[in-house]
Amino acid sequence: AQTVTQSQPEMSVQEAETVTLSCTYDTSESDYYLFWYKQPPSRQMILVIRQEAYKQQNATENRFSVNFQKAAKSFSLKISDSQLGDAAMYFCAYRSTDKLIFGTGTRLQVFP
Amino acid sequence: DAGVIQSPRHEVTEMGQEVTLRCKPISGHDYLFWYRQTMMRGLELLIYFNNNVPIDDSGMPEDRFSAKMPNASFSTLKIQPSEPRDSAVYFCASSWLLGRGPTDTQYFGPGTRLTVL
Repeated sequence: AQTVTQSQPEMSVQEAETVTLSCTYDTSESDYYLFWYKQPPSRQMILVIRQEAYKQQNATENRFSVNFQKAAKSFSLKISDSQLGDAAMYFCAYRSTDKLIFGTGTRLQVFP
Repeated sequence: DAGVIQSPRHEVTEMGQEVTLRCKPISGHDYLFWYRQTMMRGLELLIYFNNNVPIDDSGMPEDRFSAKMPNASFSTLKIQPSEPRDSAVYFCASSWLLGRGPTDTQYFGPGTRLTVL
């Protein structure tokens, strides 16, 4: 069965600095998608970024980028120029054929 | 599009009462998912539908939970009778079928916070 592991329950970063959130997963599939979702205090689950496993190029969305290492089954999220509004829970998620499988989340605090 | 719409946003009820949560997916989406989020268990997939048909309900905790999707624009999750341990945030999500599997990017509703006293 596929699993997703986020080993950092909490992280903190100073405003304008860069932070990297870790995610590893376990699967025997070769074709799958990976996602990072953000959940601010409002509880809304917001898609941050997605990566197709068949693409070698790392996905980027403005200040958010991923480091996708397929062989290592690693999918980290880098947030550049952190802003106060980035403070939230961040969930890594995996999908192959049907269900999204979520990690346990990393709470990111941003200090001014 | 207004996104995925859920109602009510908050529900407080007493143990033993019936609770109905509602969801309107994004228009045109083929898939609809119900999740439950608690501190102890994180995000759990309860059930999902494809073209209004339930595909996998293995995550439904017990017979007290039931879900329906009578048409492409509406789904309900019902708990009868409710218990305090059902207190959680319940999310509905929807997505397209893009030909690479039954789910792709899922868009979530704002959630319903359920409190069972």
